Amino acid sequence: AQSVAQPEDQVNVAEGNPLTVKCTYSVSGNPYLFWYVQYPNRGLQFLLKYITGDNLVKGSYGFEAEFNKSQTSFHLKKPSALVSDSALYFCAVRPSTGGFKTIFGAGTRLFVKA
Amino acid sequence: DTEVTQTPKHLVMGMTNKKSLKCEQHMGHRAMYWYKQKAKKPPELMFVYSYEKLSINESVPSRFSPECPNSSLLNLHLHALQPEDSALYLCASSLSFAQGYNSPLHFGNGTRLTVT
Repeated sequence: AQSVAQPEDQVNVAEGNPLTVKCTYSVSGNPYLFWYVQYPNRGLQFLLKYITGDNLVKGSYGFEAEFNKSQTSFHLKKPSALVSDSALYFCAVRPSTGGFKTIFGAGTRLFVKA
Repeated sequence: DTEVTQTPKHLVMGMTNKKSLKCEQHMGHRAMYWYKQKAKKPPELMFVYSYEKLSINESVPSRFSPECPNSSLLNLHLHALQPEDSALYLCASSLSFAQGYNSPLHFGNGTRLTVT
C-alpha cells in the first residue's frame, strides 16, 4: 500500500534555531513530492515541490526540502525558525503514474518558541 | 490571500436541512476537488472533477452531492447530514493531467460545517 509517514506529531524549536520536519514515503515509481502548511482556520497552503533534478528544493518563506531517493525521504528544513512558522505541516505525494489522488501524511505540528 | 474562494465560511445546519457549499477559482484550473478535514487530521478526498466531469467519488454517502456547473465553479449540496459530518470542508483546484500533472493543489480556506 502507498503511504506517507511523518514520524513526529510535534516538533518544538526555539526561534532562530534551524528546524527539520521529517517525511518518508512508500510509493512506487518516481512520485511527485509536496509540502503544505496549514495555519489555524485556514486551508492548506503550498510550500514547495520536488519533481526531478536538484535534491535540494527551495520554496516559500525561506523553507527548503531535501530529497533522498535511497532513503525515500523528503524532509522539510529552514535555517532559522520564526515564531510565525508555528503551524501544521503536511507532506504529500502524488504517484507519477497518473490520477488525481494525493496521499497526505498525518501532519506535524511545529511550535516555535520565542 | 487565497485564489480559491469558498462560501460560506461557517455553516450550522440541522439534520433535516438542505444547504450548499460553494467554491470558485479563476486560475484556469480544470481539476477541482472537495476534501473533508477533521481537526488536526490530513484532508480526506471526497470528489474530483476534471473538465467539469466527475472523475473520482471516494465512496461518499449520497447525502453529499457535488456539482460542477462550469470550469470555475464547484458546489457541494448537503442533505440529511449527521452530526459526524461536522468538519472543515475544503475546496481545491489544480492543473489537470493534460495541463501539467505535477501541479500542486490550491486550497480555499474552507467552510466550517456544524451539524446539530
